[in-house]
Amino acid sequence: DQQVKQNSPSLSVQEGRISILNCDYTNSMFDYFLWYKKYPAEGPTFLISISSIKDKNEDGRFTVFLNKSAKHLSLHIVPSQPGDSAVYFCAASDSGTYKYIFGTGTRLKVLA
Amino acid sequence: DARVTQTPRHKVTEMGQEVTMRCQPILGHNTVFWYRQTMMQGLELLAYFRNRAPLDDSGMPKDRFSAEMPDATLATLKIQPSEPRDSAVYFCASGLGQGADEQFFGPGTRLTVL
Repeated sequence: DQQVKQNSPSLSVQEGRISILNCDYTNSMFDYFLWYKKYPAEGPTFLISISSIKDKNEDGRFTVFLNKSAKHLSLHIVPSQPGDSAVYFCAASDSGTYKYIFGTGTRLKVLA
Repeated sequence: DARVTQTPRHKVTEMGQEVTMRCQPILGHNTVFWYRQTMMQGLELLAYFRNRAPLDDSGMPKDRFSAEMPDATLATLKIQPSEPRDSAVYFCASGLGQGADEQFFGPGTRLTVL
């Protein structure tokens, strides 16, 4: 049973527009969430995180929103750039366990 | 430039052979994770260690997979015997182990079992 779900396997967006990637989780014990970005033939790299005590965290063009009641988080990229084309994974953790559960990823393609 | 290193980067082997993948975590990191990436499951956690002690290996098929940390600079993942369904990219990641924190991933080992 997938505890972290990314229901959109792929997303295409025009350069300059907003990209919204979604992630849902089922375990109410999760209290820390991260987004990773992965290019082909490379390992995932950390992008942005959010703790359950917040509902929004922003870092430059990237903003993560957390809706605890809906067990839903989203990553917004504004404006989207061709270099953002990659696979994005969300991950969730119960911070007492050091263990992350990853979603299946969403492939973002930003069209020039 | 501190990075997680993994060897080999690519491995092609025949069914039934033993496969050993190695990982060197970032110096000073005390948590090490092994993941497998497949198309269907995304990034699956296989096992993880803190201070070289295994904390959870529930994601691994126990009959054929084993993970160890002989010392703080080396983590190994072995498959014996390997099967075609083991074909995937295997990632190692390390972290500081301070509650929830980011993990730093290696470049992965792409395993193909024929």
